[in-house]
Order: sequence, then structure tokens, then C-alpha cells
Amino acid sequence: EVQLLESGGGLVQPGGSLRLSCAASGFTFSSYAMSWVRQAPGKGLEWVSAISGSGGSTYYADSVKGRFTISRDNSKNTLYLQMNSLRAEDTAVYYCAKDRGTPVTPSSGMDVWGQGTTVTVSS
Amino acid sequence: QSVLTQPPSVSAAPGQKVTISCSGSSSNIGNNYVSWYQQLPGTAPKLLIYDNNKRPSGIPDRFSGSKSGTSATLGITGLQTGDEADYYCGTWDSSLSAKVFGGGTKLTVL
Repeated sequence: EVQLLESGGGLVQPGGSLRLSCAASGFTFSSYAMSWVRQAPGKGLEWVSAISGSGGSTYYADSVKGRFTISRDNSKNTLYLQMNSLRAEDTAVYYCAKDRGTPVTPSSGMDVWGQGTTVTVSS
Repeated sequence: QSVLTQPPSVSAAPGQKVTISCSGSSSNIGNNYVSWYQQLPGTAPKLLIYDNNKRPSGIPDRFSGSKSGTSATLGITGLQTGDEADYYCGTWDSSLSAKVFGGGTKLTVL
């Protein structure tokens, strides 16, 4: 069964750091680009970052550029999101999602999603 | 403010048909594939349509997608109460080098 399982969310103070993980199973992890998508309480989906199958190409939303870093360990079938200098507006459920293709672009949709992990930035 | 524009809400009666629009520009919808997602309350999004008009296995043919120029449309026929959800369009934006979503449309089946 194809599955994504996020972990690492929690409560953190403004300015703090957190690292999210996403464990993948049931597919050849290195063959697919992966993304992080977040959803603030009561709001819509916001794409955060994406990485190619090899890890050689990364992309970020302007709202997180310079603060967040996406990475992957294909030997461990795991995707990461290192989040630094966290702000209240980063409070959201963070989903990892599998892209349908190996490169991030052209984008053909995200066909597998995790259940999400909640990040709360508050003092 | 989302890069892609969707109506905030649509509604229709059970058994009827509804369409949800998604408007963008040449840097996103006009030159990239569009995908559509369904998010039932309290759950993760689910891919409904990819590459403008293709359905993943397991998605009923009641759901359809189309694209014309810088706009895309999701159609749902034979509406069921279980279709009540938020629907999002998404694509790549070549100018931003970023994935973008619409603001989402809440479907109510009256």
C-alpha cells in the first residue's frame, strides 16, 4: 500500500525551529518528486516546497524562502522540511505529497497525500 | 490572494450537475497542466483530475476536467451528498517557479 506518514509537528515559540519528516512506503521513493503543502486553520491549501526525485532541484514559496529547507534521503525513503525562524503565520497542518512525476516541473498533480502534522507557532 | 481564482462556493441539488471554474494566466494555467483536488471535511486532499482532464484510477467518471486558454473547469455530474467538500485547482507557475493553488470552492449539495 502506498503511504506517507508525517511526523515532527508540535508547539514552538516564534523564532524557533522544527524539522518535519515524511516516511514513504509502497512505491519507489527516488522515482518521484515530493512536495510539502500546508493549510492554516480554516484556510485553503498553500504549496510550501518541492524537491525532485534525485534531490537535485528544490523550489520554495516566497513566504518560506530563506527560512525553510526541503531535503530527502532516498536511502531511508524519507522527506524532510527544516523550518527555521518560525512565525505565527506558519501555524498550519503540513502535508507531504507525492508528485506523479520525477521532476517537479512539468507538474502533473500530487496523487498521494499524508494525513498531515500540525505545527503551532505561539508564545 | 491566490494566484488562481475560484468561486468561494457553489451549490446544487442531488443528482444535478455543477461546474467549478479556475482562472489564471499564461504563466500558469495557460502553459501548464491543471490538477483538481477534493478535500472532505477533516481529511487530506485527494487528487481528482490530473493533466487537465485525466482521472486517477478509482475516481468515478462523474468527475471531469477541461481547460481552455487560461481557465480550467471541474465538472461533477449526478451530485451526491458525499460530494460535499472543498475543491481546489492547482498548477505550476512558470514565472514564480512555484506550484500554485486556487483559493478553494466549497460545494454544498442541497
